[in-house]
Amino acid sequence: GQQLNQSPQSMFIQEGEDVSMNCTSSSIFNTWLWYKQDPGEGPVLLIALYKAGELTSNGRLTAQFGITRKDSFLNISASIPSDVGIYFCAGPGNTGKLIFGQGTTLQVKP
Amino acid sequence: GAVVSQHPSWVICKSGTSVKIECRSLDFQATTMFWYRQFPKQSLMLMATSNEGSKATYEQGVEKDKFLINHASLTLSTLTVTSAHPEDSSFYICSARDNRAGQVINQPQHFGDGTRLSIL
Repeated sequence: GQQLNQSPQSMFIQEGEDVSMNCTSSSIFNTWLWYKQDPGEGPVLLIALYKAGELTSNGRLTAQFGITRKDSFLNISASIPSDVGIYFCAGPGNTGKLIFGQGTTLQVKP
Repeated sequence: GAVVSQHPSWVICKSGTSVKIECRSLDFQATTMFWYRQFPKQSLMLMATSNEGSKATYEQGVEKDKFLINHASLTLSTLTVTSAHPEDSSFYICSARDNRAGQVINQPQHFGDGTRLSIL
């Protein structure tokens, strides 16, 4: 079945550093979504991408929809402690149901 | 912005109890809602798709008689864990598809804050 492979699995960085994580698939996705999940809460939508090549920003976050439609990345610039959490990429599969990556756990050292 | 409210946020109960979890879309109508289960340090696992006015669609391996889903209105879906046992302890999260975004493919899912279920 369709899968999203997310990397890295976890990151431990210093406050102020930039962060990059990505998501790849062997099959094409027509929409890419990036969510953040804080401990004990549900995921919150950060950025939605709908066109191949699309580059979208939301504050310090930037995400791109890969040209091949088989990958996407999320960058966080100048990280701060509240960026801590799990970041998930997701996309609607062939059945319309949302498929999630395994998540990237981000820890920021003040 | 789209808001999904999930209630309760935390439940502790004895084995054999049935537990109902509510999921409401507060500022939009949601024909379709989803129920997920999440174990610690893992991603979300889709349990079932809840469709307003019709029966829910369950994923393979999910017992429909164990996890009862009702979607009686465009803003409310409920998940009832019947005769819960310790192995049902988990974090349950609902989401709602925002109908306002036009085509289904462009309709993002917005998540509730989850329900932590602990069965003793």
